[in-house]
Amino acid sequence: DIQMTQSPSSLSASVGDRVTITCRASQSISNNLNWYQQKPGKAPQLLIYAASSLQSGVPSRFSGSGSGTDFTLTISSLQPEDFATYYCQQSYSTPTFGQGTKVEIK
Amino acid sequence: QITLKESGPTLVKPTQTLTLTCTFSGFSLSTSGVGVGWIRQPPGKALEWLALIYWDEDKRYSTSLKSRLTITKDTSKNQVVLTMTNMDPVDTGTYYCAHRRRESGSYLNWFDPWGQGTLVTVSS
Repeated sequence: DIQMTQSPSSLSASVGDRVTITCRASQSISNNLNWYQQKPGKAPQLLIYAASSLQSGVPSRFSGSGSGTDFTLTISSLQPEDFATYYCQQSYSTPTFGQGTKVEIK
Repeated sequence: QITLKESGPTLVKPTQTLTLTCTFSGFSLSTSGVGVGWIRQPPGKALEWLALIYWDEDKRYSTSLKSRLTITKDTSKNQVVLTMTNMDPVDTGTYYCAHRRRESGSYLNWFDPWGQGTLVTVSS
């Protein structure tokens, strides 16, 4: 199975900050990488698919990049509603998720 | 609009078999490229993918749980059923089903949307 490693596991940031979350695959997955946002008590929601494509309805402050084994999710200016946990997921083979990155208020 | 909803018992005893049903609308599981997956999440922990079933009856299972899982579909009822045998307290968590979408002409795929999830507790 392909292992997905996210870093950091948690971070504290302020409204307006630029936030970057990293996801690394244990082998090359091309651009078969998706990002999800999960708020407490809610189901995950798709943010980014195919590494860099923004899901319809998702604010443009979210962006994704990367290919091969290294990927990033960037929030250009953190908003109050962005405090949540973020997961990467590879879809190159049978799906696997990263361990999550919790974004908390500083 | 695509919607999915999970249903099943909220409490099961250790060693019992769990049966969960995902009832969906807004798409057909007979359409090429479409799939439905199951993902679970222990309290306070990360997401774990469990199983996938595709429009063509192909099935995929988590390597670590394969011996305990069975996924089936009833296209006429718009339902996907997951069974997990020999339940243990470590299997406690929220179980989600999700629509698996594939980009036309490629193998790129993702889960969207997800059901609301159902909390399953394993305890005697």
